[in-house]
Amino acid sequence: GDSVTQMEGPVTLSEEAFLTINCTYTATGYPSLFWYVQYPGEGLQLLLKATKADDKGSNKGFEATYRKETTSFHLEKGSVQVSDSAVYFCALAAMDSNYQLIWGAGTKLIIKP
Amino acid sequence: DSGVTQTPKHLITATGQRVTLRCSPRSGDLSVYWYQQSLDQGLQFLIQYYNGEERAKGNILERFSAQQFPDLHSELNLSSLELGDSALYFCASSAGLAGTNTGELFFGEGSRLTVL
Repeated sequence: GDSVTQMEGPVTLSEEAFLTINCTYTATGYPSLFWYVQYPGEGLQLLLKATKADDKGSNKGFEATYRKETTSFHLEKGSVQVSDSAVYFCALAAMDSNYQLIWGAGTKLIIKP
Repeated sequence: DSGVTQTPKHLITATGQRVTLRCSPRSGDLSVYWYQQSLDQGLQFLIQYYNGEERAKGNILERFSAQQFPDLHSELNLSSLELGDSALYFCASSAGLAGTNTGELFFGEGSRLTVL
């Protein structure tokens, strides 16, 4: 079945460091891919998405490129801030799962000043 | 503000008891989803309703049930509570129907259940 694997956390970085959170997926066909973010004490919110191969989703300085050849959708940011501290979830929606979101386990990001 | 409202925000109860969590979706959204988030942050899909009908079922225990009412609000009922049911319960809503869902869900702030 469809699945999403993301790197285990917590990931701890200093402010202004470069961020990569790895996400790989298994799915037949051409799923849509998403990153959601959960700030402390809040619900999840959509950060960015990509619906076809080679698409790049971007928002708030974060980017992720849909790589079908490596079945990956890694999240990157060039210079993180303390306010980026949150839990990040990678997810996919595919036709063979009736477009129900399949979630990764989440990666906790801690940014130190 | 996502537009999804959940009540209560916090709930403390004892083992064996029953509780009801309530969710009001964003205005105009017909789909409601319930998720359980455990302390280790994992997100478990429980159940989805669309316009009053159950659409998809995840890892929902038999002790749990849900429904969506004609005004589109939804309730999640948890009974015979056990210590392991302590978690954050999120409601989310979307405009679309499963099968055409583009994946964008709007989440409430959650109801934190503590079972003692």
